[in-house]
Amino acid sequence: GQSLEQPSEVTAVEGAIVQINCTYQTSGFYGLSWYQQHDGGAPTFLSYNALDGLEETGRFSSFLSRSDSYGYLLLQELQMKDSASYFCAGTGGGFKTIFGAGTRLFVKA
Amino acid sequence: DAGVIQSPRHEVTEMGQEVTLRCKPISGHNSLFWYRQTMMRGLELLIYFNNNVPIDDSGMPEDRFSAKMPNASFSTLKIQPSEPRDSAVYFCASSPSRTGGSYEQYFGPGTRLTVT
Repeated sequence: GQSLEQPSEVTAVEGAIVQINCTYQTSGFYGLSWYQQHDGGAPTFLSYNALDGLEETGRFSSFLSRSDSYGYLLLQELQMKDSASYFCAGTGGGFKTIFGAGTRLFVKA
Repeated sequence: DAGVIQSPRHEVTEMGQEVTLRCKPISGHNSLFWYRQTMMRGLELLIYFNNNVPIDDSGMPEDRFSAKMPNASFSTLKIQPSEPRDSAVYFCASSPSRTGGSYEQYFGPGTRLTVT
C-alpha cells in the first residue's frame, strides 16, 4: 500500500523560511512530488525528487532521502501569496500517484 | 495549450440522478487521473488510465461510479445514481508519465458537484 504523512498546518511570518515535512510508505517508489493549491483552485506542480538530495527552484526547494522515506519542501522569503495548501505525492509502479492529506500554510504579516 | 479542460465546472443535481463529468487531457499526455477532493477525505485517487487503458480503479468508491476513456483526448466519470455523500470537487489530471521523467501532473479546474 501507499501512504504519506505530513503536518496538517504550519504558520510562519512573511520573509521567513518554512519547512514542510513528508514521510511516506509506497511500493515500487519512483519519486516524491510537491503541489501547491490555493483555496478554490486546482493543485499545481512545484517540484519532483527522484534521487536523494536537494532540488532548488527559485524560492522553493525540495529534499528527498530514500533511505529514510522522508522528504521536505522548503519555502524561503515567504510571501503572503504563499498561503496555500501544500501536498506531497508519491509516484510508484505503473505511474500511480498518491497524495498526502496536505499541509495548510498560513503566512502572517 | 489550453491545459486540461473539465466540464461542467459546477453541477447541482438531486439524489438519484445520473451525473457525467467530462475531461479533455493535454494533447500528447498518455496518463489520465480522476481525483475527488473533500475536506474530510482530502485528495483521493479514484482511477487512472495509461494509454486509454484503466490501470487501477481501486479508489472508485462503489459500483455507482464508472469511468471511461474511449480515446486519447476524452474521458468521462459517471455516477449513477448519485447520493449526497458524492458532493465534492472532482479533478481530472493528465501527465506525460515518461519513465525517468518528473511524473508531473497537470490538473484541470475541477467540477464542483453538489447532490441534494
